Amino acid sequence: DQQVKQNSPSLSVQEGRISILNCDYTNSMFDYFLWYKKYPAEGPTFLISISSIKDKNEDGRFTVFLNKSAKHLSLHIVPSQPGDSAVYFCAASGGAWSASKIIFGSGTRLSIRP
Amino acid sequence: EAGVAQSPRYKIIEKRQSVAFWCNPISGHATLYWYQQILGQGPKLLIQFQNNGVVDDSQLPKDRFSAERLKGVDSTLKIQPAKLEDSAVYLCASSSASGYGYTFGSGTRLTVV
Repeated sequence: DQQVKQNSPSLSVQEGRISILNCDYTNSMFDYFLWYKKYPAEGPTFLISISSIKDKNEDGRFTVFLNKSAKHLSLHIVPSQPGDSAVYFCAASGGAWSASKIIFGSGTRLSIRP
Repeated sequence: EAGVAQSPRYKIIEKRQSVAFWCNPISGHATLYWYQQILGQGPKLLIQFQNNGVVDDSQLPKDRFSAERLKGVDSTLKIQPAKLEDSAVYLCASSSASGYGYTFGSGTRLTVV
């Protein structure tokens, strides 16, 4: 039973354009959402998060949007750069309290082409 | 701040053998997690420690997997005996009481042949 779903295994975007990564969740108890970025042979690194009381959070080139009614969130990267090529994991938790278990999606491999 | 340290980075064993992984979390982080990431899937939580107590081990295959966190700092994860389907990257992560999200180590890639 996948509680966090990333339906696009891969995405290719031209450098300088916008990358949009999508994520759906099923558990309405989730109230904190995170995106992690993973390079090969490294552990995932935290990228950006959003609490369920917000619908948007922005950090530089990265913006996360949350649509609670649709149980959907998306990560926008603009402009996309070659260093953004990585696997992106959407994740959800039962609370901002860091001891809450985080459930991960299966990931989307983003490739930025020149 | 030093990151989460894991060793070894890679391990190849035959099925039915045993293997152990080690994790040293960020200093002062009370919560430690072990995740299993099978190729093409997202990380799946195996066990969560708060200091040296287990908070959640509902996804840990206890017939073959064991984990401990002595003195609430370092942790070891053991598999005995290993099966082919245990081939995965084993990730350790830690978090502080006030932090958001986790800090992951680089992981141990296990191949069972």
